[in-house]
Amino acid sequence: SYELTQPPSVSVSPGQTARITCSGDALPKKYAYWYQQKSGQAPVRVIYEDTKRPSGIPERFSGSSSGTMATLTISGAQVEDEADYYCYSTDSSGDPVFGGGTKLTVL
Amino acid sequence: EVQLVESGGGLVQPGRSLRLSCTSSGFTFAHYSFTWVRQAPGKGLEYIGFISSKAYGGTTQYAASVKGRFTISRDDSKSTAYLQMNSLKTEDTAVYYCSAEMDVWGQGTTVTVSS
Repeated sequence: SYELTQPPSVSVSPGQTARITCSGDALPKKYAYWYQQKSGQAPVRVIYEDTKRPSGIPERFSGSSSGTMATLTISGAQVEDEADYYCYSTDSSGDPVFGGGTKLTVL
Repeated sequence: EVQLVESGGGLVQPGRSLRLSCTSSGFTFAHYSFTWVRQAPGKGLEYIGFISSKAYGGTTQYAASVKGRFTISRDDSKSTAYLQMNSLKTEDTAVYYCSAEMDVWGQGTTVTVSS
């Protein structure tokens, strides 16, 4: 079955840039979406269609995609950005899948 | 305010059935697709399935892990989507979320499958 691979954890100091990657064979042809999930809360979409930021999401969140890797970048990470982040996409047949998630620590 | 509210969760024995509901407010329910996602305790998000709007045929799609056991439906007159879960297993224990267009999410409802 298709998999999206994320690093289990990323750690940065406040103000630094955090980059979370998502690797998948179908990503050259399929959009990536990114979700933030804080402890005990529902997911929130922070990036859609590789690079687009929904209204209300801070500008420090950005997305990119190149080849088989999509990247979520948080420029100047804040303590409140500490959360689990999930990428989401589909395989070549259109079946959706989530990445395993990345725990972002900002301290 | 755009809102989704899941309900119907609870404790159920293995092999039994449960139906979850996802009720919306603040937007035109009929125009949107709905996706169910679950999260087992301490684990990541797992896609369960999807139902398109009637304009796109009301098509459903399911993850392999639940295909044949779970059924997604919708009642546009009630602004509600449903997840019918049959032959429940202990590994179905999770928080179940519904989402409109994978954009608006409910707060989830907890399903515990245990004897």
